[in-house]
Amino acid sequence: QVQLVQSGAEVKKPGASVKVSCKASGYTFISYGISWVRQAPGQGLEWMGWIGTYNGNTNYAQKLHDRVTMTTDPSTSTAYMELRSLTSDDTAVYYCARGLYDSSALTMWGQGTMVTVSS
Amino acid sequence: YDLTQPPSVSVSPGQTASITCSGDKLGDKNTCWYQQKAGQSPVLVIYRDTKRPSGIPERFSGSNSGNTATLTISGTQAMDEADYYCQAWDSFVVFGGGTKLTVL
Repeated sequence: QVQLVQSGAEVKKPGASVKVSCKASGYTFISYGISWVRQAPGQGLEWMGWIGTYNGNTNYAQKLHDRVTMTTDPSTSTAYMELRSLTSDDTAVYYCARGLYDSSALTMWGQGTMVTVSS
Repeated sequence: YDLTQPPSVSVSPGQTASITCSGDKLGDKNTCWYQQKAGQSPVLVIYRDTKRPSGIPERFSGSNSGNTATLTISGTQAMDEADYYCQAWDSFVVFGGGTKLTVL
């Protein structure tokens, strides 16, 4: 079946970087883009950006564009999201989700990866 | 671009729940809705204003006109208790703040 499986929970110190992976299965990876969405504890959803898995085109949220990098490895059907210069405000569950274009509805979501930033 | 949702909506079992999402000229944009149950990932329940993905019950419907999109749940069941988020596109993806639906 179609699924997105993300890497496990991370604990990072302020100023560090984190890289979360998202492995797709059950469909042709390069037929859909991948968005990344995060959710701070008790808060709503925040879109971080989108990457086109076919050509690597990206569209990052303005708030994060200088700290985030999204990449893909089509050979392993895996997408990656790296966030740098972490602060406690980056503590959140990070989701990958499948969307045809950056403007598209997100039809399938990963299980989420908890990233905790703490000294 | 901002999308505004009521923080909470309450409904009795079997009744109709309506959750609104407001934004400037939102009716000119495609809107979708996600359901997120406690401790789970979001699930798409409505896309392109009115369309239901495969597997979503017919009691879920959507509309979008003017400045307001609405998610309607007819014959609400206890299993529908969740947070609901609207989403639209304005050069970037924008989410509403979410609405907690309580089925009393």
